[in-house]
Amino acid sequence: EVQLVESGGGLVQPGGSLRLSCAASGFTFRSYWMHWVRQAPGKGLVWVSRINSDGSSTSYADSVKGRFTISRDNAKNTLYLQMNSLRAEDTAVYYCARETSVVGAPFDPWGQGTLVSVSS
Amino acid sequence: DIQMTQSPSSLSASVGDRITITCRASQSISNYLNWYQQKPGKAPNLLIYSASSLQSGVPSRFSGSGSGTDFTLTISSLQPEDFATYYCQQSSNTPITFGQGTRLEIK
Repeated sequence: EVQLVESGGGLVQPGGSLRLSCAASGFTFRSYWMHWVRQAPGKGLVWVSRINSDGSSTSYADSVKGRFTISRDNAKNTLYLQMNSLRAEDTAVYYCARETSVVGAPFDPWGQGTLVSVSS
Repeated sequence: DIQMTQSPSSLSASVGDRITITCRASQSISNYLNWYQQKPGKAPNLLIYSASSLQSGVPSRFSGSGSGTDFTLTISSLQPEDFATYYCQQSSNTPITFGQGTRLEIK
């Protein structure tokens, strides 16, 4: 079964740091581009970042550029999101998702999400 | 950035109804348009990719159409399990962007 499982969320103070992990199983992780998407409470989906299959290329939303870093360990089948200088507006459920190789490059599957709360 | 605008933002309908949700891109995205369904407390689930291709395992009552800037998602006969929030997504350009969502409620 193709599966993504996020971990690492929690409560952190403004200005703090957190590292999210996304463990992949059931597919050849090193062959796929991967993404992080977040959803603030009661709000819509917002793309955060993506990384190509070998980790050599990354992209970020302007709102997190310079503060967040996406990375991957293909030997461990794991995707990461290092989040620094966290702000209250970063509070959200963070999902990892696999970009499929079909036309349209849709995201499938998604993980179950991990909640990040930034508050003093 | 490419802006994605969905309409309506919310919709009330009955079991058995046919409904259509529209998604408009601020510039042409060819057919790089995907649709997702999200139920409360759950991750999004892919329904339609490349504007009109049905994801494996998704019921045939779901269909998508369009290209360029205007796209639609149609559910031909609503079932109780279809009441959820639907999002369109463009994957033509980075940053990838989503519509604001359409909440489908039971009338």
